[in-house]
Amino acid sequence: DQQVKQNSPSLSVQEGRISILNCDYTNSMFDYFLWYKKYPAEGPTFLISISSIKDKNEDGRFTVFLNKSAKHLSLHIVPSQPGDSAVYFCIGSGGSNYKLTFGKGTLLTVNP
Amino acid sequence: DVKVTQSSRYLVKRTGEKVFLECVQDMDHENMFWYRQDPGLGLRLIYFSYDVKMKEKGDIPEGYSVSREKKERFSLILESASTNQTSMYLCASSRDINRGGYTFGSGTRLTVV
Repeated sequence: DQQVKQNSPSLSVQEGRISILNCDYTNSMFDYFLWYKKYPAEGPTFLISISSIKDKNEDGRFTVFLNKSAKHLSLHIVPSQPGDSAVYFCIGSGGSNYKLTFGKGTLLTVNP
Repeated sequence: DVKVTQSSRYLVKRTGEKVFLECVQDMDHENMFWYRQDPGLGLRLIYFSYDVKMKEKGDIPEGYSVSREKKERFSLILESASTNQTSMYLCASSRDINRGGYTFGSGTRLTVV
């Protein structure tokens, strides 16, 4: 049972354009969602998070939107830069300090 | 700068060997985790520990065990390595995961031949 789904394994965009990474979830108990990005040969690093009581959180070029009724969230990167090329993981958190539920990741490639 | 350090970046072991993967964090975090990352499967939780000498199984604990004798160190043990345990192993520790306090190490690429 895949509780967090990232249906696009990969996405390619041009530098300067918008990147939109999508994520769907099935577990209504998640109370936080996080996005982490991962470069090859490195561990994942925190990007942005959103509480389930909010519908938008913005940090510089990165904005996460949450639609609870649709159980859908998306990460927008504007403008996209070549350095943003990485695997992006959507993660659901049930509020404990123990366990995160990862999506399978989306490989974003930003072309110069 | 806070750190999670994994002792080896690359390891090659033979089938049947006992393998130890070491992880050390300097943030005084109570919670530590071991994940494996495989293409098309994302990150899957093997074991986690919420205190010294405490451990709980994650989603795929079979073939693995762990040890947490000190707060800063969390070891993953492959009792008898098999080829299907060839993977990237990631250690992490956390304080407040909801604000991004979940810090990963750089990973250990283990190949079992």
